[in-house]
Amino acid sequence: EVQLVESGGGLVQPGGSLRLSCAASGFTFSSYWMHWVRQVPGKGLVWVSRSNNDGSSTIYADSVKGRFTISRDNAKNTLYLQMNSLRVEDTAVYHCARGGLLNYMDVWGKGTTVTVSS
Amino acid sequence: EIVLTQSPATLSLSPGERATLSCRASQSISSYLAWYQQKPGQAPRLLIYDASNRATGIPARFSGSGSGTDFTLTISSLEPEDFAVYYCQQRSNWLALTFGGGTKVEIK
Repeated sequence: EVQLVESGGGLVQPGGSLRLSCAASGFTFSSYWMHWVRQVPGKGLVWVSRSNNDGSSTIYADSVKGRFTISRDNAKNTLYLQMNSLRVEDTAVYHCARGGLLNYMDVWGKGTTVTVSS
Repeated sequence: EIVLTQSPATLSLSPGERATLSCRASQSISSYLAWYQQKPGQAPRLLIYDASNRATGIPARFSGSGSGTDFTLTISSLEPEDFAVYYCQQRSNWLALTFGGGTKVEIK
């Protein structure tokens, strides 16, 4: 079964750091681009970052550029999101998603919740 | 940044009725648009890609159309499981992917 499972969310103070993980299974992880997308509960989807299949090319939304870093370990079938200098407005559920056919997001994880609060 | 505007925000319909959802882009995105469905507590699911192509396993009652700046998702006859929130997403600007704000299809 093709699956993505996120972990690493939690409560952190403003200015703090957190690293999210996304464990992939059921497909050849190293063949796919991967994305992080976040969602404030009750609100819409916001794309955060993308990595190409080997991690050599990464892009970010302006709102997280310079603070977040996407990376991957293809040997461990795992995608990461290192989040530094966290702000209250980063509070959201963070989903990882596979960039499948034409790089549309064809497989999604259920998400991990990040709460930034003092 | 390409802004996607979805309308209406909420659509109140009965099972069996036809649903028509709109997504308008702030500039031309050719056919580089996808539609996703999200139910409460669940991850989004890809329905349509490149404006009019159904993703694997998506029922034929879902169809997409449009190009340039105006796009439509049509559900020909609503089933109980179709009541959900629908998002459009563009990949024309691959350096800054964007989603629309969503349309909630609710039971009337």
